[in-house]
Amino acid sequence: SQTIHQWPATLVQPVGSPLSLECTVEGTSNPNLYWYRQAAGRGLQLLFYSVGIGQISSEVPQNLSASRPQDRQFILSSKKLLLSDSGFYLCACLTGGGGELFFGEGSRLTVL
Amino acid sequence: GQSLEQPSEVTAVEGAIVQINCTYQTSGFYGLSWYQQHDGGAPTFLSYNALDGLEETGRFSSFLSRSDSYGYLLLQELQMKDSASYFCAVYGSSNTGKLIFGQGTTLQVKP
Repeated sequence: SQTIHQWPATLVQPVGSPLSLECTVEGTSNPNLYWYRQAAGRGLQLLFYSVGIGQISSEVPQNLSASRPQDRQFILSSKKLLLSDSGFYLCACLTGGGGELFFGEGSRLTVL
Repeated sequence: GQSLEQPSEVTAVEGAIVQINCTYQTSGFYGLSWYQQHDGGAPTFLSYNALDGLEETGRFSSFLSRSDSYGYLLLQELQMKDSASYFCAVYGSSNTGKLIFGQGTTLQVKP
């Protein structure tokens, strides 16, 4: 079975600072990978998804970017954080024949 | 555009049955899945329907009608621990890998 390591778990950053969230997957190869963001009490907003190394699809134009330098590594970055970037960031991989997402434990970001 | 609609809140009592509906409008459709999320935690997978009909997993069942762009999650014999948020999600294409979520339904189970 797969395992997702996501870090850091919690971070507090000032406006304008950079961001790097990392996600690594074990127990599967060539997975579809996803980054979602969830504001407090809200749904999951799809930010980026990737079907392979170097292949990134962006859903929402914003000051975030994603990269997939290795098959099982997915990185979410920002050069300058905004207050609106605060939220719960979730990395996930698709398992099985479709539809079943397995999530990491999440990274809770507060931008002050 | 793509959208999923589900009720924002549902309340039920222990031991009861509750149904959470989900309607969707997407440019591509491969399957509908359901997730449970407790406060502060990550979502966990409950069920997936790619074909019309009912899928049963213990106390939880999920239904899909592709012609109606509609599905539901049925929770039976409700327990207090079922109090959580429930999300439907559409897997749009196995080629692109796009998977989007509804806004979630908060289920409150009362004694």
